[in-house]
Amino acid sequence: QQQVKQSPQSLIVQKGGISIINCAYENTAFDYFPWYQQFPGKGPALLIAIRPDVSEKKEGRFTISFNKSAKQFSLHIMDSQPGDSATYFCAAGPDLSSGTYKYIFGTGTRLKVLA
Amino acid sequence: GAVVSQHPSWVICKSGTSVKIECRSLDFQATTMFWYRQFPKQSLMLMATSNEGSKATYEQGVEKDKFLINHASLTLSTLTVTSAHPEDSSFYICSVYDGSYEQYFGPGTRLTVT
Repeated sequence: QQQVKQSPQSLIVQKGGISIINCAYENTAFDYFPWYQQFPGKGPALLIAIRPDVSEKKEGRFTISFNKSAKQFSLHIMDSQPGDSATYFCAAGPDLSSGTYKYIFGTGTRLKVLA
Repeated sequence: GAVVSQHPSWVICKSGTSVKIECRSLDFQATTMFWYRQFPKQSLMLMATSNEGSKATYEQGVEKDKFLINHASLTLSTLTVTSAHPEDSSFYICSVYDGSYEQYFGPGTRLTVT
């Protein structure tokens, strides 16, 4: 009940294309679903996040689609740019049943955008 | 969002020695911070939840006597790796929880044990 499955593991997209990364969770008690972007040697940075009461959230070129019944959510990067080349992590939480505010992270997707 | 710093950004130590990593919340009083470790090309692995003024909550499998966490103030949490060994070499990242779902990560500390 504590896993977040992320796919694909790696993704290559042409400049200007759409990058799509998918995540699936198991714990229906999770209440917040953020996406993080991480460049090599740096800490993750919050990209965009969504609550389960909405099905979609858009910020600039980044969109989260959320399917509560399927327990899935995805990140769409429109007009992908070489500067978007990074590792992306989805997360789900907090896990309040544990008495903490911890989140469960996906395994990560390495995105490469070709110029 | 909260601005988080870590010091040092990079450290090399000899096997058997201890090393302390600091995590500072520069503009937010954080009652809760998290410590993660990350191996190359892998995900973030939560090590412990650091609570100001109380003992840290360690994840299963993390040796609390080896990874000492002290959250003595609302702006500072420290992670001390005691008697470090080469297998402790990793990227250590802290994050600050803002109490409203968001967590903000520090830049990370690269530890190499020789």
